[in-house]
Amino acid sequence: DAKTTQPTSMDCAEGRAANLPCNHSTISGNEYVYWYRQIHSQGPQYIIHGLKNNETNEMASLIITEDRKSSTLILPHATLRDTAVYYCIVRHSAGGYQKVTFGTGTKLQVIP
Amino acid sequence: DAGVTQSPTHLIKTRGQQVTLRCSPISGHKSVSWYQQVLGQGPQFIFQYYEKEERGRGNFPDRFSARQFPNYSSELNVNALLLGDSALYLCASSLVLQQANQPQHFGDGTRLSIL
Repeated sequence: DAKTTQPTSMDCAEGRAANLPCNHSTISGNEYVYWYRQIHSQGPQYIIHGLKNNETNEMASLIITEDRKSSTLILPHATLRDTAVYYCIVRHSAGGYQKVTFGTGTKLQVIP
Repeated sequence: DAGVTQSPTHLIKTRGQQVTLRCSPISGHKSVSWYQQVLGQGPQFIFQYYEKEERGRGNFPDRFSARQFPNYSSELNVNALLLGDSALYLCASSLVLQQANQPQHFGDGTRLSIL
């Protein structure tokens, strides 16, 4: 399984962009990078995913390096409600099913 | 549209008992996965079901079992409960089985406490 490495924690000032890095140096060519976040006592919330190209949706932007060994999730204008644990995962299909492996994620604290 | 729903939200059991947790996927989703999340850790994959068949299993003992019904809802059963089974149990659904570009959507989980 391709594994991901994320910083344990980060702080971001409210209103500023939050840039959350993720390393996935063993990713293979057909594996997608996914980002989820989990607010205390809730289930993980899907944010965005991508394969090669940069992606943007109403929640965030995903920047994937050309060699695909790392990516960055960007929350353009962080709010207090963005305080959560952010998980970067690599999604693959093996043996007819999709196994998803979560690490310990990055705890993002948005500061007023 | 309703998201993934799980019941009950909280449950307290004692060691040795058995428990059944329930999950209803998003309408139209045919694949359901179960995860265990121990406090302070990320979710760990337990099972994936698709079209009522088990399609994947994580590194969990045989005390853990699951099934999927014709309406695509699912149950997770855990027998002979241990203190270490205390966790948040999450259910996730997705449209189909083998499309890695289809996101899984999670419910808010069942918090299971073992006394």
